Amino acid sequence: AQTVTQSQPEMSVQEAETVTLSCTYDTSESDYYLFWYKQPPSRQMILVIRQEAYKQQNATENRFSVNFQKAAKSFSLKISDSQLGDAAMYFCAYVTTSGTYKYIFGTGTRLKVLA
Amino acid sequence: GAGVSQSPSNKVTEKGKDVELRCDPISGHTALYWYRQSLGQGLEFLIYFQGNSAPDKSGLPSDRFSAERTGGSVSTLTIQRTQQEDSAVYLCASSIQGATDTQYFGPGTRLTVL
Repeated sequence: AQTVTQSQPEMSVQEAETVTLSCTYDTSESDYYLFWYKQPPSRQMILVIRQEAYKQQNATENRFSVNFQKAAKSFSLKISDSQLGDAAMYFCAYVTTSGTYKYIFGTGTRLKVLA
Repeated sequence: GAGVSQSPSNKVTEKGKDVELRCDPISGHTALYWYRQSLGQGLEFLIYFQGNSAPDKSGLPSDRFSAERTGGSVSTLTIQRTQQEDSAVYLCASSIQGATDTQYFGPGTRLTVL
């Protein structure tokens, strides 16, 4: 069965510094997508970044980038130049594209940004 | 345009009562999802509607849970004979076509079962 693991329940970063949130997953599928979603205190979940497993190039979205290591089944999120507005819960998610729909979320990492 | 909306934003009910939670997806989005988020937990997939296909109900935790999507738009999640362990935030999301597209989430409904 597919699983998504976020081993850091909470992380802190100083404003303007860089932080990396880790995510590992387990799957026997070869085609899948990985996502990082952000959930601020307002509760509304929004997409941060999306990675297609068949693409070797790491996805980047402004200050957010991923380090996708397919063989190691690792999908970490790097936030550069951290801002106070980055404080939120961050969820790693996996969806398979083969067979039955399977969308699996990790348990999340709470990111605190210190002024 | 408007995002995904959910109502009510908060619902308090007594154990044993039935509740209905509503989700209005983004217009034109054919895929709709329901998730449950318990305190300190990640999102638990409940059900997935894709166009006119039969919904994927594989995540529903018991037969007390059911969902409908009328006219390919609005969806209602119904929980019958609520239990205290049903207390959670219920999130709805929609995407343009399918599961690999970006999901746009609603603000959720916080359900408290006393």
